[in-house]
Amino acid sequence: QSVLAQPPSVSGAPGQTVTISCTGTSSNIGAGHDVHWYQQLPGTSPKLLMFGTNNRPSGVPDRFSGSKSGTSASLAITGLQAEDEADYYCQSYDSSLGGSVFGPGTKVTVL
Amino acid sequence: QVQLLQSGAEVKRPGASVKVSCKTAGYTFTNYGINWVRQAPGQGLEWMGWISTYDGNTNFAPKFRGRVSMSRDTSTTSAYMELRGLRSDDTAVYYCAREGGLYSGTLLDWGQGTLVTVSS
Repeated sequence: QSVLAQPPSVSGAPGQTVTISCTGTSSNIGAGHDVHWYQQLPGTSPKLLMFGTNNRPSGVPDRFSGSKSGTSASLAITGLQAEDEADYYCQSYDSSLGGSVFGPGTKVTVL
Repeated sequence: QVQLLQSGAEVKRPGASVKVSCKTAGYTFTNYGINWVRQAPGQGLEWMGWISTYDGNTNFAPKFRGRVSMSRDTSTTSAYMELRGLRSDDTAVYYCAREGGLYSGTLLDWGQGTLVTVSS
């Protein structure tokens, strides 16, 4: 059971916007620790998608954006495309555990 | 370009140990830490721990303390993760990942993964 909570799945039609939430506690996101997001396409290794809440590595389309408020963070995908169908994981540091933690992951389905 | 190349798949008996290697290239090895993350079949990512490639300091997730060790060899720019006392629920793909950048904990690049199967 992860200390970060994510919805198991979200879906949307091509072109629509979907948002994935990552809900933490005062020991992780609420403590101001950085939040990162990873995309894992089927059968591949995870890939860094967003770092430091809302920074995109080079090569990541600006359709992806991140935000944070209080003990939660969010990843939004605007203009959803078929290639966005993947699992998405949030990650932060937890002071109580003394290390990194991942959310359970959210499967994005493009209808 | 940055590369993290992991050792091949392993099949182990319960109670045995496994050591996974992660050979790196394309960057200054000692400037970036290495994290180990695992993923059980059909499950999510689980952080196992971190090693400083600079001085060998380690930090392990509470769940793995006492059962895991991590090491590195600066001469070969490689990192290693050993898990002891294997159980069936240790069956997973194990990833090494390079950590760095301005934001703490950012896993910039990942290895291709090593499948470890624990079965009698």
